[in-house]
Amino acid sequence: DIQMTQSPSSLSASVGDSVIITCRASQSVSNYLNWYQQKPGKAPKLLIYAATSLQSGVPSRFSGSGSGTDFTLTISSLQPEDFATYYCQQRYSTPTFGQGTKLEIK
Amino acid sequence: EVQLVESGGGLEQPGRSLRLSCAASGFTFDDYAMHWVRQTPGRGLEWVSSITWNGGTTRYADSVKGRFTISRDNAKSALYLQMDSLRVEDTAFYYCVKDSVVGAMLYWFDPWGQGTLVTVSS
Repeated sequence: DIQMTQSPSSLSASVGDSVIITCRASQSVSNYLNWYQQKPGKAPKLLIYAATSLQSGVPSRFSGSGSGTDFTLTISSLQPEDFATYYCQQRYSTPTFGQGTKLEIK
Repeated sequence: EVQLVESGGGLEQPGRSLRLSCAASGFTFDDYAMHWVRQTPGRGLEWVSSITWNGGTTRYADSVKGRFTISRDNAKSALYLQMDSLRVEDTAFYYCVKDSVVGAMLYWFDPWGQGTLVTVSS
């Protein structure tokens, strides 16, 4: 299976900050990379698919980039509702997820 | 509004069986592939199984192959996961998940149900 490694595992930031979360695949996944947001006690929610495309209804402060093995999720101008855990997921082969990045309020 | 409601979780002993169900509404169920994904604090998110819109193709993670069976009843807009020979490591929240694209199994997981907890313990 393709291993997905996210960094950092946790991150503290303030409202209004911009943050970048990275995801690295153990082999190329082309652009078959999705990002999810999960809030405590809730199911994950798809934010970005195909590495760069914003899912309908997701605010434009979320953006994704990358291809091959290295990807980033950028959240600009953090809002209170953005503090959550974020996961990457590849679908190039048997789907696998990163271990998650917990974004906390500083 | 798309709704996915899982049921059937609970406490079961190793070696026994459980059957999870997922009631779907708010979309044309037989247009979409469906999936089960599980989550534990220790192992994170793990894809478990998938089924195409017509049930013609099923796929399983190696960790559950030969023990779990995914199925669907399009007339009832229902998805199932028959879990046999349960192991302690099957303990997790199990989510029913819809694929995002009509007619394809693309593993774009959206949306997810609220999950049902399966605990395997003696």
